[in-house]
Amino acid sequence: EIVMTQSPATLSVSPGERATLSCRASQSVGSKLAWYLQRPGQAPRLLIYAGSTRATDIPAKFSGGGSGTEFTLTISSLQSEDFAVYYCQQYNKWPYTFGQGTKLEIK
Amino acid sequence: EVLLVESGGGLVQPGGSLRLSCAASGFAVGGNYVNWVRQAPGKGLEWVSLFSPDDSIYYVDAVKGRFTISRDNSRNTLYLQMNSLRVEDTAVYYCARGDILTHWGQGTLVTVSS
Repeated sequence: EIVMTQSPATLSVSPGERATLSCRASQSVGSKLAWYLQRPGQAPRLLIYAGSTRATDIPAKFSGGGSGTEFTLTISSLQSEDFAVYYCQQYNKWPYTFGQGTKLEIK
Repeated sequence: EVLLVESGGGLVQPGGSLRLSCAASGFAVGGNYVNWVRQAPGKGLEWVSLFSPDDSIYYVDAVKGRFTISRDNSRNTLYLQMNSLRVEDTAVYYCARGDILTHWGQGTLVTVSS
C-alpha cells in the first residue's frame, strides 16, 4: 500500500496571505495525485488532479505541483472559506490512499 | 447535473448487517468508476471499494470478505452490502464518481455499537 504523508498537520496563516501544503508518497505515483478540500459538515470537493490540473470551477488561486513522490498545493490570497481541511490522494495503484489531512486555520 | 444520494445508514450492533444505496443521476453508474469512501468521526478519508467500467472490483483489505459492492444499471444505483460489522466500521459513508473523485454524495452515517 502506498502511504501518503501530509505536512504540516496544522497550518496557521493570516487571511490574505499564501499557504503551501505538502504531500509525500512512499513510492512514486507519477502524476496521479489529487487534492481535495473538506469544510466542516460537508463532503470533500475535488480541487486538483493529475498533480497540477484544476478541477471544474476551481479558481486559479489554487495551484498544484510536483510529481513522483513530492507534491505541493499552494493557495494564494486566503479567504475565510479557504480555511478547512485539505487531503491529498494517489490513484496510481490500488488501494487508492489518502493523506491524513492538513488543517488550514486562521492565524 | 451529476447528483449522488446515499441512504441506508443507521445504528447496528456488532456482527450485524446493513445495505447502503447510492442513487445516481446525471451519469450512468454502469459506464463509470463508482466508489465508496468512508470517514470515521473526526478522522480522515479511507477508500473502501471501487467498481470500474470494465466490471473490475476492488476492496481495501479492512473490508475484504465482509463488504460487497454492486450496481443496478436499470435503477442507476450503487450498493454496498456490509456484513459482520465491527465497531471500527463506524463512519460516514460517501459514494463518489470517478477514479478521480469528481462528484460526491452527502454521505450516510453508519454507527456500529452495542
